[in-house]
Amino acid sequence: GDSVTQMEGPVTLSEEAFLTINCTYTATGYPSLFWYVQYPGEGLQLLLKATKADDKGSNKGFEATYRKETTSFHLEKGSVQVSDSAVYFCALSPNTGGFKTIFGAGTRLFVKA
Amino acid sequence: DAGVIQSPRHEVTEMGQEVTLRCKPISGHDYLFWYRQTMMRGLELLIYFNNNVPIDDSGMPEDRFSAKMPNASFSTLKIQPSEPRDSAVYFCASSLRGASYNEQFFGPGTRLTVL
Repeated sequence: GDSVTQMEGPVTLSEEAFLTINCTYTATGYPSLFWYVQYPGEGLQLLLKATKADDKGSNKGFEATYRKETTSFHLEKGSVQVSDSAVYFCALSPNTGGFKTIFGAGTRLFVKA
Repeated sequence: DAGVIQSPRHEVTEMGQEVTLRCKPISGHDYLFWYRQTMMRGLELLIYFNNNVPIDDSGMPEDRFSAKMPNASFSTLKIQPSEPRDSAVYFCASSLRGASYNEQFFGPGTRLTVL
């Protein structure tokens, strides 16, 4: 079945460091791919998305590119801030069949001042 | 737009008691999802509805859990009787089919503690 695997956390970085959180997926067909972010005490919210191969999603300085050949959707940011401390979830939604979204386990990011 | 509304935000109860969690989805959305989040198991999909009809309840852990959606603007998740292992944050999310992607909008969650 469809699945998402993302790197385990926590990830601890200093402010202004470069961030990469790896995500790979298994799916039939051409799913839509997402990164969601969860700030402390809140629900998940969509950070960025990509709906087809080679699409680049971007938002708030974060980017991720839909790589069909490597089935990956790695999240990157050039310079993290303390306010980026949160849990990041990679997710996919099949474009056929059911309407569920499959979430990865989440990666906790701590950014130190 | 008020977003997805959940109540209560926090619930503390004793083992054996009935617990009811409530959710109001975003107006016009036709899908509603219930999730449970714990440190040990991460984010788990419990059940989801389309146009008020349950589509997939395979994630409901056992018969003590039940969910209803009597109309397009309201859903409940009930646990009876509750047990300490049910302690978790429960999220409701809604979505609209027909968009070019299946973004889900999450509520703030209900933190349940069963003593």
